[in-house]
Amino acid sequence: AQTVTQSQPEMSVQEAETVTLSCTYDTSESNYYLFWYKQPPSRQMILVIRQEAYKQQNATENRFSVNFQKAAKSFSLKISDSQLGDTAMYFCALDHSGGGADGLTFGKGTHLIIQP
Amino acid sequence: DARVTQTPRHKVTEMGQEVTMRCQPILGHNTVFWYRQTMMQGLELLAYFRNRAPLDDSGMPKDRFSAEMPDATLATLKIQPSEPRDSAVYFCASGLIGSRDQVFGPGTRLTVL
Repeated sequence: AQTVTQSQPEMSVQEAETVTLSCTYDTSESNYYLFWYKQPPSRQMILVIRQEAYKQQNATENRFSVNFQKAAKSFSLKISDSQLGDTAMYFCALDHSGGGADGLTFGKGTHLIIQP
Repeated sequence: DARVTQTPRHKVTEMGQEVTMRCQPILGHNTVFWYRQTMMQGLELLAYFRNRAPLDDSGMPKDRFSAEMPDATLATLKIQPSEPRDSAVYFCASGLIGSRDQVFGPGTRLTVL
């Protein structure tokens, strides 16, 4: 069975600081994708960043980057120069299908609060 | 900007009533997913379709839940009879075969009294 674990239920940082959210996962598949989704109070699920397991290079999207450690099955999200609008729930997710998408397994989420 | 549409956005009903939630995937998308979000269980996959064919509904309580795609532009999730433990936010997401990205709808918040 595939599992995704987020060990930080809540984090709080000051605006402009850098914050790292942790995620570990378990899968027996060799071909998989990892994602970070953001869910603001509007509850809309927004894709932040994706990582393909066969790519060694860590994905980056503007202020968001990941540290993907495949052997350790770790996938952390770093947010640089944090902004008030980054306040949200963040979910780590695993897509473990070999072919097209077969659905995501989500972690329990981390509530990130950016303080002014 | 293409979006996934879900109706209704909010639904309050009484125990025992039938509930139908609808989803319009992005035009051209050929995979559709239903997820449920609760405080206790988090986000769980209920069912998914590929080219309108149901591929996996193992996450769904079979006795009361059913999911269908009558056509490529409509997916439905029905609960009959509804129970208070079904209270949750139900998300629909769509995507393309070969792409791992899923676009989520705004969700339906269901409250069963």
